[in-house]
Amino acid sequence: DTEVTQTPKHLVMGMTNKKSLKCEQHMGHRAMYWYKQKAKKPPELMFVYSYEKLSINESVPSRFSPECPNSSLLNLHLHALQPEDSALYLCASSQGADTQYFGPGTRLTVL
Amino acid sequence: GESVGLHLPTLSVQEGDNSIINCAYSNSASDYFIWYKQESGKGPQFIIDIRSNMDKRQGQRVTVLLNKTVKHLSLQIAATQPGDSAVYFCAETPDQNFVFGPGTRLSVLP
Repeated sequence: DTEVTQTPKHLVMGMTNKKSLKCEQHMGHRAMYWYKQKAKKPPELMFVYSYEKLSINESVPSRFSPECPNSSLLNLHLHALQPEDSALYLCASSQGADTQYFGPGTRLTVL
Repeated sequence: GESVGLHLPTLSVQEGDNSIINCAYSNSASDYFIWYKQESGKGPQFIIDIRSNMDKRQGQRVTVLLNKTVKHLSLQIAATQPGDSAVYFCAETPDQNFVFGPGTRLSVLP
């Protein structure tokens, strides 16, 4: 099973809302990632968790807050977002520095 | 920072023809390379990978070639089918931090 699942598939939120994106994998991978992808652009790395600890934060604004409750789950908490944060948010997992398997993404629209 | 780039942003090929998608990388320390396919509304899907100690790797209808001398990576798709229409990204990594190229949109003409 090489599946990474993400919920919700679509999310519309206002700039004062608080919402969370969820990601789950059951491949036993120890690294999990959040990427942001704007239209017609490649994915941009936001965060990396390795063994449930945040190992990379690519200078992401604090209105994005990641959380890794356990080795299978990864959350991204959103608060006070801006319209320019609208994008496809992708979760991925890997076994170390190896192939990353991506989920289908959450399409986020900030009004 | 260093980045991975592509020579062509779009590529149109006739159904049944072979496709070649190119990628240039700049980080000589990169030792692992991946090609991803991304269809509209979906996440990137792994196609094939290659390590820096190899020059060529073949999969089902796809071949990846690595030329370390000129830092060039290519993806060859044999007998291109309508289902191959998508954006193709190359990615490199010297460590856990993947760097994606800008992508090439492949359109398959009937």
